[in-house]
Amino acid sequence: QVQLKESGPGLVQPSETLSLTCTVSGFSLTSYSVSWVRQPSGKGPEWMGRMWYDGDTAYNSALKSRLSISRDTSKNQVFLKMNSLQTDDTGTYYCTRVDYPGPFDYWGQGVMVTVSS
Amino acid sequence: NIVLTQSPATLSVTPGESVSLSCRASQSISTSIHWYQQKSNESPRLLIKYASQSISGIPSRFSGSGSGTDFTLSINRVESEDFSIYYCQQSYSSLDTFGAGTKLELK
Repeated sequence: QVQLKESGPGLVQPSETLSLTCTVSGFSLTSYSVSWVRQPSGKGPEWMGRMWYDGDTAYNSALKSRLSISRDTSKNQVFLKMNSLQTDDTGTYYCTRVDYPGPFDYWGQGVMVTVSS
Repeated sequence: NIVLTQSPATLSVTPGESVSLSCRASQSISTSIHWYQQKSNESPRLLIKYASQSISGIPSRFSGSGSGTDFTLSINRVESEDFSIYYCQQSYSSLDTFGAGTKLELK
């Protein structure tokens, strides 16, 4: 069955870089796109960016200067890197499968990231 | 970016009532709107895609309607398990956006 699982550090220092991995199973990264979505505690989700099935990327304009998404299809993994983290980057980070060109039909369990010294 | 405005922010109902949740887009997005339910400490779950298309495994009391800029998620006879937060999301633009959510709470 389709599964996505996020992994990465739960605590990041301010101004440091966040690195997260999304490991997928049950589908191919060359057939489906994967998006990253984050959610501060008590707030709505925010779309961060997307790795298209063809290897292209798209980013939220508010995060574009700090964000990079890449993938390793041989390992069924999508990566997120975001630099210059601040306290308002604290929240739960999800990877999702995109039922192109539309909805996020499967979600990972999420990983909680806290930005604090 | 396309802005999605959800209303009301909170809706207080008793089980058995039927409700409608609104999502309005800042520009026409055809039917490229999707609805999610999020329960506390869980990941969002897709309820309705493309404004009105049902999703396998989702109870039939959930339905969606609308096109252009105005969209509605309807719940026919709310059950206790439905008390959660509902979000809309648009995929018309290549830069996806979400609404701020409507919290459905027990009156």
